[in-house]
Amino acid sequence: DTEVTQTPKHLVMGMTNKKSLKCEQHMGHRAMYWYKQKAKKPPELMFVYSYEKLSINESVPSRFSPECPNSSLLNLHLHALQPEDSALYLCASSQDRAALAKNIQYFGAGTRLSVL
Amino acid sequence: GESVGLHLPTLSVQEGDNSIINCAYSNSASDYFIWYKQESGKGPQFIIDIRSNMDKRQGQRVTVLLNKTVKHLSLQIAATQPGDSAVYFCAENMRNTGRRALTFGSGTRLQVQP
Repeated sequence: DTEVTQTPKHLVMGMTNKKSLKCEQHMGHRAMYWYKQKAKKPPELMFVYSYEKLSINESVPSRFSPECPNSSLLNLHLHALQPEDSALYLCASSQDRAALAKNIQYFGAGTRLSVL
Repeated sequence: GESVGLHLPTLSVQEGDNSIINCAYSNSASDYFIWYKQESGKGPQFIIDIRSNMDKRQGQRVTVLLNKTVKHLSLQIAATQPGDSAVYFCAENMRNTGRRALTFGSGTRLQVQP
């Protein structure tokens, strides 16, 4: 099973709203990722968590706040977003073992976010 | 800066033909590469990967070729089917930097004509 589950599938929010995106995996993976994907563009890395600690923040604005409550869950808290933040937000996970030469990331289906 | 990119944004093939999707990378430190398939409304799906110590790897109906001399990666799909229609991304990883992150190329849309 290589399933990464993201909720909700679709989200519409105003610029003053606070919302959260959720991601869950039960593959025992210890690395989890948030990506942002605009239409007809490749995914762009936002955050990486390794063993529940934030290891990479790609200079993401503070209106995006990640959280990793445990090894299976990853959240992305949203506050005061702008219309240009509308995009597909993808979560991924991988084994994250330094001894491995591979880093296959398995992706969820994403949350389609629209900011009005 | 250095990046992973693709030569062709759209590739149209007839059903049953073989497809070749190309990717150029410029970072010589890249040591691991992955091909992903992304269908409309879905997240990227892992297809096949290859390490930099290999030049060819085969899967079911797919083959990835790596030419480190010219920093070129290709994905070959045999007997292309309508279900292969999607956007294909190559992605690279530089494991020796300790950076557990993938950098994606710009993508190629594969259209399979019946």
